[in-house]
Amino acid sequence: GAGVSQSPRYKVAKRGQDVALRCDPISGHVSLFWYQQALGQGPEFLTYFQNEAQLDKSGLPSDRFFAERPEGSVSTLKIQRTQQEDSAVYLCACGIRLSYNEQFFGPGTRLTVL
Amino acid sequence: AQSVSQHNHHVILSEAASLELGCNYSYGGTVNLFWYVQYPGQHLQLLLKYFSGDPLVKGIKGFEAEFIKSKFSFNLRKPSVQWSDTAEYFCAVIPPNTGTASKLTFGTGTRLQVTL
Repeated sequence: GAGVSQSPRYKVAKRGQDVALRCDPISGHVSLFWYQQALGQGPEFLTYFQNEAQLDKSGLPSDRFFAERPEGSVSTLKIQRTQQEDSAVYLCACGIRLSYNEQFFGPGTRLTVL
Repeated sequence: AQSVSQHNHHVILSEAASLELGCNYSYGGTVNLFWYVQYPGQHLQLLLKYFSGDPLVKGIKGFEAEFIKSKFSFNLRKPSVQWSDTAEYFCAVIPPNTGTASKLTFGTGTRLQVTL
């Protein structure tokens, strides 16, 4: 497709449930970023990949969060044992190169944990 | 803590009014600066960016921003807003010393509402 797609667009989970959020980046884009956007806040960095290598995961809030990009294209953000504070919009972005380049954002997945 | 500040959280303007949205950052050294816009129901889109050179940057849809290094500011401006500019606007920075990474640090956003 022409842009970044994310699925599902909306996810409701019960506390303690595991969730998996998918990002399909623009074909050929090397870098891929995940951000978390809480209500009324700007996006906050979680992690990024260059191709299949996860180069920085310093923004992941706990060891319940795990991201992968095994073939250097599609990425999955997994949250184990979800908590209410995990409720947010999760944004995926990609870029042609890793360095200092425009990032193209997807529509996000809105996660609500009950 | 080093950060990006957007002081205006909600701005209401009439059509044809002039717009200026403030953005300040607290990082020293060389930074790369961006303004992103999110129209209702849509994803974040890049309005403009500053890496180096002319500190007055022109973006899409008639927007411009001025980088003032001495003030650590990168304010967004538009001479005459339209109803279709109603959106949320985010200032973002690539801080210095991030190596080759281009991870963005965002402000909290400014919601712009343009009335007819």
